[in-house]
Amino acid sequence: EAQVTQNPRYLITVTGKKLTVTCSQNMNHEYMSWYRQDPGLGLRQIYYSMNVEVTDKGDVPEGYKVSRKEKRNFPLILESPSPNQTSLYFCASSHGTSGNNEQFFGPGTRLTVL
Amino acid sequence: GDSVTQMEGPVTLSEEAFLTINCTYTATGYPSLFWYVQYPGEGLQLLLKATKADDKGSNKGFEATYRKETTSFHLEKGSVQVSDSAVYFCALSERIQGAQKLVFGQGTRLTINP
Repeated sequence: EAQVTQNPRYLITVTGKKLTVTCSQNMNHEYMSWYRQDPGLGLRQIYYSMNVEVTDKGDVPEGYKVSRKEKRNFPLILESPSPNQTSLYFCASSHGTSGNNEQFFGPGTRLTVL
Repeated sequence: GDSVTQMEGPVTLSEEAFLTINCTYTATGYPSLFWYVQYPGEGLQLLLKATKADDKGSNKGFEATYRKETTSFHLEKGSVQVSDSAVYFCALSERIQGAQKLVFGQGTRLTINP
């Protein structure tokens, strides 16, 4: 089954404790991205990658890191989480690098930073 | 910069009512436009899209027409069902200097009562 998987689905942590949210897709997609969803703000793009070893900042990259060592994986790293990073996070992937293509979303990771 | 504005929610309708959710955008070039739907506890799914002016996207009884002159992409459905209850996101995608830019609206929560 074609899908985007994220782990963990739920995470409660404390300020300053490094964490990684994994994202994997099995559709051989070139483009992958991370979003955060906050009430009243919709989805905002954190980082995106147009292919292996190619990553770039989205609209809200501060406090986050990403890497794209393999085509299928695109982990999101919070080196020192803070309470303002409490949010619902979505990973997405799409074929090619054209803006016309459908984004396939993972199920989301709900993160709480105390 | 690019932006997407959706009508304020939440929207509550009775079954079989006519639905319109307004969406307007600002962009520097000629973006592709999308409607995504998010059912409770799930990630976003593509509902429909349009890639150029005057294109009409349609799916599951929903329609939206790309209106360049009014920079709009309003979502409509003639007769809604309880199963249409979800959050709807309007989005645009544009390539700027070789990078794919994705921008979402804030989302509109729709509730359909039987």
